[in-house]
Amino acid sequence: KAGVTQTPRYLIKTRGQQVTLSCSPISGHRSVSWYQQTPGQGLQFLFEYFSETQRNKGNFPGRFSGRQFSNSRSEMNVSTLELGDSALYLCASSLAVEGAPNQPQHFGDGTRLSIL
Amino acid sequence: AQSVTQPDIHITVSEGASLELRCNYSYGATPYLFWYVQSPGQGLQLLLKYFSGDTLVQGIKGFEAEFKRSQSSFNLRKPSVHWSDAAEYFCAVGVASYDKVIFGPGTSLSVIP
Repeated sequence: KAGVTQTPRYLIKTRGQQVTLSCSPISGHRSVSWYQQTPGQGLQFLFEYFSETQRNKGNFPGRFSGRQFSNSRSEMNVSTLELGDSALYLCASSLAVEGAPNQPQHFGDGTRLSIL
Repeated sequence: AQSVTQPDIHITVSEGASLELRCNYSYGATPYLFWYVQSPGQGLQLLLKYFSGDTLVQGIKGFEAEFKRSQSSFNLRKPSVHWSDAAEYFCAVGVASYDKVIFGPGTSLSVIP
């Protein structure tokens, strides 16, 4: 079956712009988690969605937001881009059962965002 | 606060040699533990996970890990490394709310032919 699909793979933006990244999970998976990966900070948790509801959020400013649609596809939006937002943004999907431990099992290849 | 440490930033081993990657966590309750591998330009792949039960966990690609509560450790092992194992390895801990996973800084593995 198809894996996790993230689009676009690469994106170049300038400071002050906004960007929307997309993640299509594996069919049937209800949980989507987003992570930011940078050389300096490593992998940092952004947020996780389950059945269209944000269950948890990491320590990122309000410029970072997301949503999940009824088909479990998720989008992440970053407004007023800063140079420090340059990173690889990864999403992960999991089957997830409400009340059971989340286990990000299948990752996409990420979106490489570069801010000029 | 929960945290994950991987003491070795970079490790180099010869092909065919054994491997052990270290992972220590700080968490007040029983953690849920994971090991992932990331090849250049790709996302992460789950190697194995520990939720409960047998503390020795078998994973894919010949990897195993052992949960030691007394040492707050979850070290990853492989008896014989292949050149294709060269990659970045991440240990991660799942926190009690079930919906948040914290990653360690990663260990970069190089394999000498």
